[in-house]
Amino acid sequence: DQQVKQNSPSLSVQEGRISILNCDYTNSMFDYFLWYKKYPAEGPTFLISISSIKDKNEDGRFTVFLNKSAKHLSLHIVPSQPGDSAVYFCAASSTGNQFYFGTGTSLTVIP
Amino acid sequence: DVKVTQSSRYLVKRTGEKVFLECVQDMDHENMFWYRQDPGLGLRLIYFSYDVKMKEKGDIPEGYSVSREKKERFSLILESASTNQTSMYLCASRKAGGSGDEQFFGPGTRLTVL
Repeated sequence: DQQVKQNSPSLSVQEGRISILNCDYTNSMFDYFLWYKKYPAEGPTFLISISSIKDKNEDGRFTVFLNKSAKHLSLHIVPSQPGDSAVYFCAASSTGNQFYFGTGTSLTVIP
Repeated sequence: DVKVTQSSRYLVKRTGEKVFLECVQDMDHENMFWYRQDPGLGLRLIYFSYDVKMKEKGDIPEGYSVSREKKERFSLILESASTNQTSMYLCASRKAGGSGDEQFFGPGTRLTVL
């Protein structure tokens, strides 16, 4: 059973606008959440993370929001750039040993 | 620059063959992982290792085994390859100690089993 879900397989956004990628989880024991970005023919690269003791973490154009009561997190990219076009995976962990990944959302930023 | 390398980018094998996928990291990380990535299923953990000679099963270990004889190297073994093991295989490593450190991934090996 999928403990981390990304219900939108794809998203298209105009350059300069906001991209919002969503992720839901079922396990209330998860205490750390990460977003990874993956280009074709490359491995995923870490983008941003958030601990369960916070509800927001910001790094430049990227902000992750965590809503523990809804078991929901989102990644905001503002402003979106064509180079942001990639597949984005969210991941969650409760022990640091095993990470559970979502199915990914393919973001296309249209110039 | 930190690096996780995988022995092959593309591999084609026949059903029943024994397949070795090698992963090496140069970051002195304690934890290493093997995932497979399939369309619509995301990344699924096959095995992980938190120290030399230590291993733990992930979500889908059936048909696979692993070996970690040295800290920097983690091998995934398909004892008898089958067509349903055609997939992208990703290796990752991570510093040990709590949830707070991200995994570093290799470029992946695209395995096709005919």
